[in-house]
Amino acid sequence: DAGVIQSPRHEVTEMGQEVTLRCKPISGHDYLFWYRQTMMRGLELLIYFNNNVPIDDSGMPEDRFSAKMPNASFSTLKIQPSEPRDSAVYFCASWTGFGYTEAFFGQGTRLTVV
Amino acid sequence: KQEVTQIPAALSVPEGENLVLNCSFTDSAIYNLQWFRQDPGKGLTSLLLIQSSQREQTSGRLNASLDKSSGRSTLYIAASQPGDSATYLCAVDNQAGTALIFGKGTTLSVSS
Repeated sequence: DAGVIQSPRHEVTEMGQEVTLRCKPISGHDYLFWYRQTMMRGLELLIYFNNNVPIDDSGMPEDRFSAKMPNASFSTLKIQPSEPRDSAVYFCASWTGFGYTEAFFGQGTRLTVV
Repeated sequence: KQEVTQIPAALSVPEGENLVLNCSFTDSAIYNLQWFRQDPGKGLTSLLLIQSSQREQTSGRLNASLDKSSGRSTLYIAASQPGDSATYLCAVDNQAGTALIFGKGTTLSVSS
């Protein structure tokens, strides 16, 4: 397996534009997570899915953020409209759950909103 | 709500030193604890996973211990090398056992 794959690796966009981040989890992993990392706040859990169903989105900062998982091999995180304070590195991770195996992270998407 | 704290935030040591990184968490009802490494501009790589029934795990020069009752874990790195320079993050699961909550990490710099 190629691991967790995220695209794009870097995204620069203007304030107000829509941004879509993409993730392909490891096959067979039941859980998918979206995290955001900043210097000030560290790694924050935004939302996670179990078997394609959103379980907890309490970490999503505002209604401008939305996430979907239409099937077991693909998820998106959308920001509309984007703001400069959304600039961060966004990570996707997948896991079999309940601590029996390690969680695997993608390489992240570095988002810059100007 | 589970909270994870890592001390120190940064550490600089000369090559060859043994060192300890600390992690504490507020809710002892966890399923597992994981230590990750993050290199600049990269994703996270899992180093060690300790399940709640275990006390420690070892991988090469790394040894992680877990004291669940006191809400503490340590990562011991023996004979540090410049290649160990990275940020080390500790993570425990949430109360449902279904997601990982991270500390802010310890940034380690090993000089040759």
